[in-house]
Amino acid sequence: QVQLQQCGAELVKPGTPVKMSCKVSGYTFTSYVISWIKQTTGQGLEWIGYIYPESGSTGYNEKFKGKATLTVDKSSNTAFMQLSSLAAGDSAVYYCARETTEALFDYWGQGVMVTVSS
Amino acid sequence: IQLTQSPSLLSASVGDRVTLSCKGSQNINNYLAWYQQKLGEAPKLLIYNTNSLQTGIPSRFSGSGSGTDYTLTISSLQPEDVATYFCYQYNNGLTFGSGTKLEIK
Repeated sequence: QVQLQQCGAELVKPGTPVKMSCKVSGYTFTSYVISWIKQTTGQGLEWIGYIYPESGSTGYNEKFKGKATLTVDKSSNTAFMQLSSLAAGDSAVYYCARETTEALFDYWGQGVMVTVSS
Repeated sequence: IQLTQSPSLLSASVGDRVTLSCKGSQNINNYLAWYQQKLGEAPKLLIYNTNSLQTGIPSRFSGSGSGTDYTLTISSLQPEDVATYFCYQYNNGLTFGSGTKLEIK
């Protein structure tokens, strides 16, 4: 079965980066785009960007350009998202999701809760 | 495209017919989906392309709409339907609505 596995939680200090992973199983990793989505109580759900594992090509929501960097490791079927220079507003749950050709998110990871605090 | 969902909170009884609304700031051209998120879980795709039911989703869920106005209907509310429901448009950019929280009365 399709699974996207994310680690549970990160506590990070303001101004530091964080890198989170999304390990995929149950389908051919290079056949689907992986998107990342931010969820906060205040802003709701926001699409951050996508990466196509086959080529490494990426696309970003303008709001997250310079904040998020998406990469993959095809040898381990894992997608990564690095968030730079974290601030309080970056505290959120971050999901990875498999994106279909129609831009639908049909399978999701369980999410990573990132808390930015000194 | 911005999506406005109403109501933000809905309380209904088991067996009720429930209707949730999603309005876009521009024409969405039927590229509208609905997600269900239960407490502590990731969102789950229910409906796509306005009215297509995702595999495995109960038939009590249905979608309709056109242009800027879309609706998710639950024909007979069940206790397991308690969740927050988000609409999502993929016609122009990718954006989510702010959600409707559905409770049992």
